Amino acid sequence: DAGITQSPRHKVTETGTPVTLRCHQTENHRYMYWYRQDPGHGLRLIHYSYGVKDTDKGEVSDGYSVSRSKTEDFLLTLESATSSQTSVYFCAIQRALHPEQYFGPGTRLTVT
Amino acid sequence: KQEVTQIPAALSVPEGENLVLNCSFTDSAIYNLQWFRQDPGKGLTSLLLIQSSQREQTSGRLNASLDKSSGRSTLYIAASQPGDSATYLCAVRSSGSDYKLSFGAGTTVTVRA
Repeated sequence: DAGITQSPRHKVTETGTPVTLRCHQTENHRYMYWYRQDPGHGLRLIHYSYGVKDTDKGEVSDGYSVSRSKTEDFLLTLESATSSQTSVYFCAIQRALHPEQYFGPGTRLTVT
Repeated sequence: KQEVTQIPAALSVPEGENLVLNCSFTDSAIYNLQWFRQDPGKGLTSLLLIQSSQREQTSGRLNASLDKSSGRSTLYIAASQPGDSATYLCAVRSSGSDYKLSFGAGTTVTVRA
């Protein structure tokens, strides 16, 4: 257990509304990641963070923004949700000096 | 851009049979390769990680091999059990990638009792 929680775990929202997903870690890890998982695509990286206020884009970042004002929290915001953003969102952390990445339980988001 | 492929997408075997899951990647400049298990509606659980300098890694009934030059990894699960039914994902960390992972789409395994 890498001490990662995600909230909410499930959310249904309407097209055009902003949505924020939260990833919280308890172990003070520097690197945090947001992925989305869709059938047939595996997991794809949206954004990642390598420290407080230090973030960068992944391969599918359009329509998403992130913020990290504290080490323990990494927020993912869908600025104006679209149906194509219906997905399962996973947060992950990377422990320093450890090669493995650890994942949270996921958030299932449905945009109607 | 690193592309990771897992074939087949689904596999069904009788209990007791050995499982062989394949993962291929296009860029051999990798730091490591990680195998994950995912149960329906759940997150990912790390099974094995192979560093680029290693040829294989073992944990209990699981054995993962890596042939970096040919861009392939294989996960072997010996004497499969119904509890092994899950989706298995491989992920590659490319060199210079800031710990970012590139994932395959997974192989969904069903072990029949």
